Amino acid sequence: DTAVSQTPKYLVTQMGNDKSIKCEQNLGHDTMYWYKQDSKKFLKIMFSYNNKELIINETVPNRFSPKSPDKAHLNLHINSLELGDSAVYFCASSQDVGGSYEQYFGPGTRLTVT
Amino acid sequence: SQQGEEDPQALSIQEGENATMNCSYKTSINNLQWYRQNSGRGLVHLILIRSNEREKHSGRLRVTLDTSKKSSSLLITASRAADTASYFCATAYHTGKLIFGQGTTLQVKP
Repeated sequence: DTAVSQTPKYLVTQMGNDKSIKCEQNLGHDTMYWYKQDSKKFLKIMFSYNNKELIINETVPNRFSPKSPDKAHLNLHINSLELGDSAVYFCASSQDVGGSYEQYFGPGTRLTVT
Repeated sequence: SQQGEEDPQALSIQEGENATMNCSYKTSINNLQWYRQNSGRGLVHLILIRSNEREKHSGRLRVTLDTSKKSSSLLITASRAADTASYFCATAYHTGKLIFGQGTTLQVKP
């Protein structure tokens, strides 16, 4: 069974559209994350949720809105997509907060905005 | 910026050789973690070393941490073609945030 899964794997869309990426983990972890990896492989944290509560919210445009319906799911909705949003988005989970735990990453969603 | 720096950015070696990657960071950390990313895939956790530890081993991997120099190194011994990947260090803070370096791209030639 896949520990952290994301859908879709690829997403190609036009500027101005709204899209969502879904993430699920079956590890029983309390904390989930969204990261953005740009074309230079630079990986930056966007959001973190612990037990459905937002705990890390980096400087991200408010066009990006995470939603955690339960602690096993963390979805990312993006409004009014822009060319600069093209990147690979990774979901991850860890046992708890505090930076003391390893993170488990999903396979990534490659978003291309045209 | 808390972002760490990795060195070298790219490394090409022959199978059987050892590979060493270095990571430097700027502020006090909770722990430091190393991850591997194969092309087109997600990151896989390799080793976590806590701020009060100096060295850790896992199979062919050896990680050292020098908190006085704010640096860490990852040594892969007897490399294999399958070790070809990007390797990232990530510094962890009490806030739960992981800050990733820009990675070292390792190519192991058969």
